[in-house]
Amino acid sequence: GAVVSQHPSWVICKSGTSVKIECRSLDFQATTMFWYRQFPKQSLMLMATSNEGSKATYEQGVEKDKFLINHASLTLSTLTVTSAHPEDSSFYICSAQRTSGDNEQFFGPGTRLTVL
Amino acid sequence: GQQLNQSPQSMFIQEGEDVSMNCTSSSIFNTWLWYKQDPGEGPVLLIALYKAGELTSNGRLTAQFGITRKDSFLNISASIPSDVGIYFCAGQYYGGYQKVTFGTGTKLQVIP
Repeated sequence: GAVVSQHPSWVICKSGTSVKIECRSLDFQATTMFWYRQFPKQSLMLMATSNEGSKATYEQGVEKDKFLINHASLTLSTLTVTSAHPEDSSFYICSAQRTSGDNEQFFGPGTRLTVL
Repeated sequence: GQQLNQSPQSMFIQEGEDVSMNCTSSSIFNTWLWYKQDPGEGPVLLIALYKAGELTSNGRLTAQFGITRKDSFLNISASIPSDVGIYFCAGQYYGGYQKVTFGTGTKLQVIP
């Protein structure tokens, strides 16, 4: 149990376009989901915390108008990279925390975004 | 913000050898976590530690939660080729949304 999926697994887009990435908890409900970004040979950096039915909380330095997060249900959070530029190319990973109360986060397989 | 320094940054070891890596923080955590990440995939939890001083094993892996709550180490015994990957420590603090802060990572390569 506790499987998290991401879609798409990879995407290539042109500069200036918007890209939506989905994060789903497949067999559990997740009130809280987290979005991370990982540049090559670097660690995972938390971008934002997403709570079902409320606004996301962004980490310092992350532009909320550029990285739109929607957590409309207990099993789905989406990250939209608006007006993407080459510097947004990265590996985006989500994690989901079970509503049941323990604090463990389950990570998705990641989405590789390449902006040309 | 919080920073987790992990060492060594990378290591090459011979198959069968033991390996140790550690992580230090500038502030305390309630939980220490160790993850392994394979290329192009998300991190997978290896061990979770919940109490200062706790020593926990998972097969050939052993990890400890430091007494000061600001450090942790991970040992891998009798390494095998499939241990290759990047190992991350992470700390979780029970305040707000229990967000996880990741260490800088240790890249492990095992020579058969």
